[in-house]
Amino acid sequence: SYDLTQPPSVSVSPGRTASITCSGDNLGNKLTHWYQQKAGQSPLLLIYYNNRRPSGIPERFSGSNSGNTATLTISGTQAIDEADYYCQAWDSSTAVFGGGTKLTVL
Amino acid sequence: QVTLRESGPALVKPTQTLTLTCTVSGFSLDTGGMCVNWIRQPPGKALEWLALIDWDGDTFFSTSLKTRLTLSKDSSKNQVVLTVTNMDPLDTATYYCARSPIGGNHVHYDYWGQGALVTVSS
Repeated sequence: SYDLTQPPSVSVSPGRTASITCSGDNLGNKLTHWYQQKAGQSPLLLIYYNNRRPSGIPERFSGSNSGNTATLTISGTQAIDEADYYCQAWDSSTAVFGGGTKLTVL
Repeated sequence: QVTLRESGPALVKPTQTLTLTCTVSGFSLDTGGMCVNWIRQPPGKALEWLALIDWDGDTFFSTSLKTRLTLSKDSSKNQVVLTVTNMDPLDTATYYCARSPIGGNHVHYDYWGQGALVTVSS
């Protein structure tokens, strides 16, 4: 089965840039998507097709995908960005999620 | 306005079969490209994809759970139904249904339901 690996936690100071990685074998050849999940809420689509933002998602969220690693970048991180973040891809007719990264803004 | 809403029992006993219904609005289950997925999340843990049904009624399942899962849709009722057999306490989770506006390698989830917490306990 295909695995996506994320760091369990990332910390960032307010106003700084946070980077959350997602690693998988030849992930750059797949489309990667990112979701934000705040406590007690359903996940929210943040980035799809590696780097596209749905309507309503702030420009400070961006994505990239190359080689074995996809990266979600949050520029000018705000306190409201504190949440769990998940990457997702499709492989061999199944969807795969990463283990999630808890972003702490402190 | 696209919405998805999960419904089903909050509590099931071990070995029982769980049946969950996802009722959708704002789109048709038969529109080309439209897929509905089930995804679960045990308390404090990561998301886990379970299954997908596409506009043609084709189904795809998690490799680890496919022997226990059944997925169907009733387009006239705008509903997708998931059954999970032989429930175990480890299946305790919030179960989400989510829409993918496209299938195949492009699958991603643009709308999610609120989730339904299912506890497995005797």
